[in-house]
Amino acid sequence: QVQLQESGPGLVKPSETLSLTCNVSGASINNYYWSWIRQSPVKGLEWIGYISDRGATKYSPSLKSRVTISVDPSKKQFSLKLSSVTASDTAVYYCARVYGVVNFDSWGRGTQVTVSS
Amino acid sequence: SYVLTQPPSVSVAPGQTARISCGGDNIGDKTVHWYQQRPGQAPVLVVHDDSDRPSGIPERFSGSNSGDTATLTISRVEAGDEADYYCQVWDSSSDHFYVFGGGTKVTVL
Repeated sequence: QVQLQESGPGLVKPSETLSLTCNVSGASINNYYWSWIRQSPVKGLEWIGYISDRGATKYSPSLKSRVTISVDPSKKQFSLKLSSVTASDTAVYYCARVYGVVNFDSWGRGTQVTVSS
Repeated sequence: SYVLTQPPSVSVAPGQTARISCGGDNIGDKTVHWYQQRPGQAPVLVVHDDSDRPSGIPERFSGSNSGDTATLTISRVEAGDEADYYCQVWDSSSDHFYVFGGGTKVTVL
């Protein structure tokens, strides 16, 4: 059974870069797409982007200019970088496995990221 | 971009049936997926591809999709079903690939 675990700083200063990593265990990272999703009381669940095991990416248009997702199959990890953060980027960030392109069948427990000085 | 509309809340007595709607323009032409999110936990996929259940999800959870409305039905509701429920579609026609509804809070009376 696949398990995902997010890690990274819980507090980021405005204008800086948010960086998170997702560790995948219990399953291969190959042959799947892997995604970042965030959740806030204001915006609800919001898809950020995904990456394939081979590094192909797709980002939400609303975040595209600030987002980079990368993958390291050898470490069974994928990562999120979100630059120039503001208070509106405060949210719980989840990593998830994309199943069949169309849905998210496994999620990490989520990590709270607060943007504040 | 594609918009999914859910009622903010649904209340149901134990043992009764809860129906959660998800409205969208011609949503019947898309496949809908449903997630359950208990307080403080991550979402869990409970129905995929309109009406299929992942392994381990009780048969009490079922889904349908037609026209402009998809519906998640929870039969014989239990206290443990109290949670937020979200619908989601993959909208290949736009750049907003994955769209979520705003969520419905199910309260078991």
